[in-house]
Amino acid sequence: EAAVTQSPRNKVTVTGGNVTLSCRQTNSHNYMYWYRQDTGHGLRLIHYSYGAGNLQIGDVPDGYKATRTTQEDFFLLLELASPSQTSLYFCASSDVAGNSDYTFGSGTRLLVI
Amino acid sequence: GEQVEQRPPHLSVREGDSAIIICTYTDSATAYFSWYKQEAGAGLQLLMSVLSNVDRKEEQGLTVLLNKKDKRLSLNLTAAHPGDSAVYFCAVSNMGYKLTFGTGTSLLVDP
Repeated sequence: EAAVTQSPRNKVTVTGGNVTLSCRQTNSHNYMYWYRQDTGHGLRLIHYSYGAGNLQIGDVPDGYKATRTTQEDFFLLLELASPSQTSLYFCASSDVAGNSDYTFGSGTRLLVI
Repeated sequence: GEQVEQRPPHLSVREGDSAIIICTYTDSATAYFSWYKQEAGAGLQLLMSVLSNVDRKEEQGLTVLLNKKDKRLSLNLTAAHPGDSAVYFCAVSNMGYKLTFGTGTSLLVDP
């Protein structure tokens, strides 16, 4: 079954810490996305990619890096975590951008203390 | 850029009643419309999507209506049951590079 798998499910780090969130998709999709979900804001796009080695900036990229190492794997990096990055992070994949159905992972809850 | 407003933020209905969630959008070029369901502790699951050439779509107790003139999209759960309790999001696109999401509606269906 096609899926998007995120790890870890939960993460606690200290301010200034280094965090990597992982995402793997088995959908053979071209596009992968990182979103953050915060109450009152819905989902906001951080970064996205349309293939291995490609990275595009989303709407709220500040403080985040991302890397697409393979068709399947997309990583989100917080190199100097701040409390404002405490959030629920979702990875998603789609066959084409914007106008196709997305498959979401189960999310990573990050707490920066 | 595209702005999407979703209402109500919270909705409580009794089992068997209908529940209606509405999104309004700003970009007249918006051409793809979708609804997602998020159950507690889970990711978003696609419920239904339509393109702009569709005004109404029904599937398994769900009805999506699209009013392009008013730039309004609605989701109607015609006979809600407790398993429908979740957070619902609309998401739209102008066929560009991304979906723009609404802020979510938390639906509670009382048995």
